[in-house]
Amino acid sequence: GENVEQHPSTLSVQEGDSAVIKCTYSDSASNYFPWYKQELGKRPQLIIDIRSNVGEKKDQRIAVTLNKTAKHFSLHITETQPEDSAAYFCAASPGTYKYIFGTGTRLKVLA
Amino acid sequence: SQTIHQWPATLVQPVGSPLSLECTVEGTSNPNLYWYRQAAGRGLQLLFYSIGIGQISSEVPQNLSASRPQDRQFILSSKKLLLSDSGFYLCAWSVSVTEAFFGQGTRLTVV
Repeated sequence: GENVEQHPSTLSVQEGDSAVIKCTYSDSASNYFPWYKQELGKRPQLIIDIRSNVGEKKDQRIAVTLNKTAKHFSLHITETQPEDSAAYFCAASPGTYKYIFGTGTRLKVLA
Repeated sequence: SQTIHQWPATLVQPVGSPLSLECTVEGTSNPNLYWYRQAAGRGLQLLFYSIGIGQISSEVPQNLSASRPQDRQFILSSKKLLLSDSGFYLCAWSVSVTEAFFGQGTRLTVV
């Protein structure tokens, strides 16, 4: 069935360092890959997304890369700041209206 | 602009009692609607999704059901709650395969 694996489950980095979160999806029909940030007790909010016809997308300090052959996609945050501390979720959509989420990564940026 | 309303924000219910959580969307027509559950410190589990009135797809067999009596209304129900139903329930909407927008969530504690 459809599955999205996400690693690591927790990640601590020093302020100013980079953070990388990786996801693997199982359904080769997946064509849309969003990343959500969820602060404690709040709703998830989209931070960046990528479609299967693009290999990389960047928005200021955030970038996402996609390797369709390997069915991997990754989130890269550069120059991390304390306000980047949150839970991050990747998701994959096989184009059938569903969004299958990864299990999440708790990022902590140490000042 | 589009908005999503989900209520209540918190709920404490005894085991064996019924449940009804409601979600409504404003500012869009024929949205795709979703119910997700998030256990403490865990990922987002897709419970139900709907692409139209009366059309409900269940992802995980369980003690819950969903209904969509109107185009922009999505209801999550249970006849008898279990302790394991505790969690953070999130309603979401999207149009086609694009960004999904989440409601504020309902924190359900079954005691």
